[in-house]
Amino acid sequence: DAGVIQSPRHEVTEMGQEVTLRCKPISGHNSLFWYRQTMMRGLELLIYFNNNVPIDDSGMPEDRFSAKMPNASFSTLKIQPSEPRDSAVYFCASKPPGQRNEKLFFGSGTQLSVL
Amino acid sequence: SQQGEEDPQALSIQEGENATMNCSYKTSINNLQWYRQNSGRGLVHLILIRSNEREKHSGRLRVTLDTSKKSSSLLITASRAADTASYFCATALRNRDDKIIFGKGTRLHILP
Repeated sequence: DAGVIQSPRHEVTEMGQEVTLRCKPISGHNSLFWYRQTMMRGLELLIYFNNNVPIDDSGMPEDRFSAKMPNASFSTLKIQPSEPRDSAVYFCASKPPGQRNEKLFFGSGTQLSVL
Repeated sequence: SQQGEEDPQALSIQEGENATMNCSYKTSINNLQWYRQNSGRGLVHLILIRSNEREKHSGRLRVTLDTSKKSSSLLITASRAADTASYFCATALRNRDDKIIFGKGTRLHILP
């Protein structure tokens, strides 16, 4: 299996532009997590899905952020409009079903720079 | 919000020495996991310890869990240069075991 796939690997954009980050979880995994990592705040949970349904989006910073999971093999995190303080590394992680399957599998992340 | 807090924030030791990192958390948990992150990469799972376990081993890794103190420690024995990375603890809350929260991590540097 190719693992969790994120794209793009790097994104540089100007303030005010729309940014879309993409994630393909591992086939068969039914939970998907979006995290944001910065030096100041560490690794923050933004939102997670179970069986394509958003369960907890309390970590989404504000209305400029939205996430979707239209099917089991794809999720997007959108920022519109983007701001310089959104600059961070955004990670997607997935987890297989089962009560004792708690291990997360991470993608390589998207390094976002908003100028 | 952060559930786990690692200590120390940064640690430098000589190759061959043991490295100990600690994690404290705030609320009751189902399990606690440790992950490793190499620079510029995603996190990789190392080991999981459940709330009814006190100690667990995996190769050169030893994890302890003290639920009365809400703390865990990760010990890496006989450290190697390749162990240089950031290490994070992650907790799954007792009543929300699908919500996995990470601490800010410990940056470990192994000196040759």
